[in-house]
Amino acid sequence: EPEVTQTPSHQVTQMGQEVILRCVPISNHLYFYWYRQILGQKVEFLVSFYNNEISEKSEIFDDQFSVERPDGSNFTLKIRSTKLEDSAMYFCASSDVAGGETDTQYFGPGTRLTVL
Amino acid sequence: AQTVTQSQPEMSVQEAETVTLSCTYDTSESDYYLFWYKQPPSRQMILVIRQEAYKQQNATENRFSVNFQKAAKSFSLKISDSQLGDAAMYFCAYHLNDMRFGAGTRLTVKP
Repeated sequence: EPEVTQTPSHQVTQMGQEVILRCVPISNHLYFYWYRQILGQKVEFLVSFYNNEISEKSEIFDDQFSVERPDGSNFTLKIRSTKLEDSAMYFCASSDVAGGETDTQYFGPGTRLTVL
Repeated sequence: AQTVTQSQPEMSVQEAETVTLSCTYDTSESDYYLFWYKQPPSRQMILVIRQEAYKQQNATENRFSVNFQKAAKSFSLKISDSQLGDAAMYFCAYHLNDMRFGAGTRLTVKP
């Protein structure tokens, strides 16, 4: 069964450093998403991406964040200058269609980001 | 703004018994999607069940079923014949343009 994969599973970085989290969505999916979950809290939407551009983003997704689909398979989330409060689990998800039709998002296993 | 509320931070059920997890949401939209996701200790988000708002029939997936009350904006999850492997955090989610999650309910299954 196809699945979303994410690398690395755990990333440790120093405050102020740039990190790139990687995701490989399910191959025939067209919509891609990033979420984060701070330990013990709810899952929060960050951004959705379709047709090589951001379609929706939350207030969390500020100028420190960016997303990219550099090739036909990867979908990345970059945090330019990490802060302590960026420590969280980051989930990538993908779906084949979005909003108004069959719309099920399949989540990857997550990347645990620890900012020291 | 759409909000999702799970009023039960923790629930407990005896193995083989039935448990219902509550979820309410707030929206002014008529067409949207609702989901229940399960998050075991591994923290993977696993889809349990989904419901399209335009469908009156409640979704069912094996031992999992929902009670969708559109007018009341309620979307509860019923787990029948609970198993030890059902123990996890359960998140209710509303989706239209983006996905909004509730705070989660931690389900414990007692042997």
